[in-house]
Amino acid sequence: AQSVTQLGSHVSVSEGALVLLRCNYSSSVPPYLFWYVQYPNQGLQLLLKYTTGATLVKGINGFEAEFKKSETSFHLTKPSAHMSDAAEYFCAVSAPNFGNEKLTFGTGTRLTIIP
Amino acid sequence: DSGVTQTPKHLITATGQRVTLRCSPRSGDLSVYWYQQSLDQGLQFLIQYYNGEERAKGNILERFSAQQFPDLHSELNLSSLELGDSALYFCASSRDSSYNSPLHFGNGTRLTVT
Repeated sequence: AQSVTQLGSHVSVSEGALVLLRCNYSSSVPPYLFWYVQYPNQGLQLLLKYTTGATLVKGINGFEAEFKKSETSFHLTKPSAHMSDAAEYFCAVSAPNFGNEKLTFGTGTRLTIIP
Repeated sequence: DSGVTQTPKHLITATGQRVTLRCSPRSGDLSVYWYQQSLDQGLQFLIQYYNGEERAKGNILERFSAQQFPDLHSELNLSSLELGDSALYFCASSRDSSYNSPLHFGNGTRLTVT
């Protein structure tokens, strides 16, 4: 079975500050990892994903995440927060040979940007 | 705009009633997924259809059912509604069902059961 744990259901950062959203996973096989973002009154959209290869993956809107096997982590970062980054962020895990139906989402982290 | 259309946006109904939620997938996408999002349980996968056939089931109650029609739109039917069914219901679609085919979510239908 696979699972993800997002540390911190709410994170607040000042505009221009570093954004760090934490995600730890549990998987018995090499994981595929995803970050999705949900803006107010909208559905989720894919920010970035890691499957194989380079462990530092870049996504849309200046976000990136690093897969660290030794720490079972896939934390999401952005060097400088913008007001438009205010949203809920979901980490998700799947595995090789699994389809989207096996995608398991975390409980989400709501990011607030302080002007 | 994800290209996935869900109707209605809001639905208020009473316990014991039955409702139908509708989803039109992105053009060209064959796979449709239904999710339930609630404050206490997060985002839960309910069911998946691929090109008209049921492909996978998640945490879907027996009171709930779904289908995908030949034009690929999908409907989620919720019956004998209970207060606990109040949630945001999302539809997502993808080109196929592999992990390489990203999910595109609609804006959801907010169901309130009173």
